[in-house]
Amino acid sequence: RKEVEQDPGPFNVPEGATVAFNCTYSNSASQSFFWYRQDCRKEPKLLMSVYSSGNEDGRFTAQLNRASQYISLLIRDSKLSDSATYLCVVNTRGATNKLIFGTGTLLAVQP
Amino acid sequence: EAGVVQSPRYKIIEKKQPVAFWCNPISGHNTLYWYLQNLGQGPELLIRYENEEAVDDSQLPKDRFSAERLKGVDSTLKIQPAELGDSAVYLCASSSGQGAYTDTQYFGPGTRLTVL
Repeated sequence: RKEVEQDPGPFNVPEGATVAFNCTYSNSASQSFFWYRQDCRKEPKLLMSVYSSGNEDGRFTAQLNRASQYISLLIRDSKLSDSATYLCVVNTRGATNKLIFGTGTLLAVQP
Repeated sequence: EAGVVQSPRYKIIEKKQPVAFWCNPISGHNTLYWYLQNLGQGPELLIRYENEEAVDDSQLPKDRFSAERLKGVDSTLKIQPAELGDSAVYLCASSSGQGAYTDTQYFGPGTRLTVL
């Protein structure tokens, strides 16, 4: 079983749609959680950190459920420019700053 | 501020040949990482340096891969000899601080290696 699991997609949605990505992680010792965005043939870039209380950044909302070891990302009012791969990432205590990446979920926003 | 710089951006070699990748981290970042990203997968850590010390190289295939960061700034990752399965994108990242798990990692554009 992979340490971080995501639906690979692709998710094809029309502009303006709301889309949700889900991720599960297997190591209960995981301490910090992130969503990275990776454009085609580009490097991953930090989109947002994920906190237990949930956090929002404009159209993006991230949630963490430690009991279920589940992370989510919600994108509201999708834009064409949101098309990318969204990588769920966890960092485990005891392996300082070792990021474990999921395989990523490909989002294609259609006009 | 300049980001993480990597070169070359693309490299095509024949199997059994050696290859080297170079990375210059963001100025002042003392932690440097090398990742491997296969097609359709997320990046996987190969090695992490704090200054010039390799503090996590457990995922580095040491029979053919080597890395160095002699002066604690830029770094080189080498493969010798390359195999067909080494075709992938090699990403370098850096972070400030001392590798705490809250540090943000900034990635370079990567080197896309094709082994024929």
